[in-house]
Amino acid sequence: NAGVTQTPKFQVLKTGQSMTLQCAQDMNHNSMYWYRQDPGMGLRLIYYSASEGTTDKGEVPNGYNVSRLNKREFSLRLESAAPSQTSVYFCASREQGYGTEAFFGQGTRLTVV
Amino acid sequence: QKEVEQNSGPLSVPEGAIASLNCTYSDRGSQSFFWYRQYSGKSPELIMFIYSNGDKEDGRFTAQLNKASQYVSLLIRDSQPSDSATYLCAVNTDRGSTLGRLYFGRGTQLTVWP
Repeated sequence: NAGVTQTPKFQVLKTGQSMTLQCAQDMNHNSMYWYRQDPGMGLRLIYYSASEGTTDKGEVPNGYNVSRLNKREFSLRLESAAPSQTSVYFCASREQGYGTEAFFGQGTRLTVV
Repeated sequence: QKEVEQNSGPLSVPEGAIASLNCTYSDRGSQSFFWYRQYSGKSPELIMFIYSNGDKEDGRFTAQLNKASQYVSLLIRDSQPSDSATYLCAVNTDRGSTLGRLYFGRGTQLTVWP
C-alpha cells in the first residue's frame, strides 16, 4: 500500500520554465492538498480539492494551477517558475470528517535558479 | 492574520520536563484540530487530533481545546530527546464553502536536551 506518491523528489528549474508536480493516492480519499514549506513558515496551503471535479484556492495560490484529474490524482503546475517558488512541496490526502488524518507524500524539493 | 497562529519558538526543555505548545485559530466554524510532528527532512506525521472542548490524553501527549477562546494546546510530559522536532498545529473545516479546507500554522521547533 503506497499511500501518497509524489514525483519528482528533486527538481531544478530555470526562471521562466514550466513544470508539473504529480501526486497520486491509493486510499480512496476525497480531499487532496498541495502545500509549500519554507524555513520558519510551516505548511502553507496552495490549493486543495475537496472532491473529484472541484478545486479551491488556499493561502498562496498565485503562480500555480492545479488539476484534479480523477479521484486518485492531483497535479500542481508552475507555468513560469520564479526564484520565489523555490521550496519544498508536499501533497496530502484525507477523508472528510471529524478528526480524519491527512497523509503526506515524501515531498518535492524544487529549486528555481 | 493567518488562520492558524503558533508561538514560533524555538522551545528548549530538559529531558523529563513538560513541553507546552500553543495554537490559536481565527475561524470559529473550525471543527477538527490536529497536532503533527515533523522531523527535519521528513514529512509531517499525526500525533493527535481533538474536536471536543476539554482534554484528550494519549500516552505522554495531552491535547487541550477551548473553542470559546479559539485555542488549542499540546502538552508533552516526560519529554525525551526523540521528541525534538517541529510541531505543527492544523485546523480543519469540513462544512459548506470551506469543505475540505485544512490549514497549518508556522510550527514550533522543540529541542529536548539530555
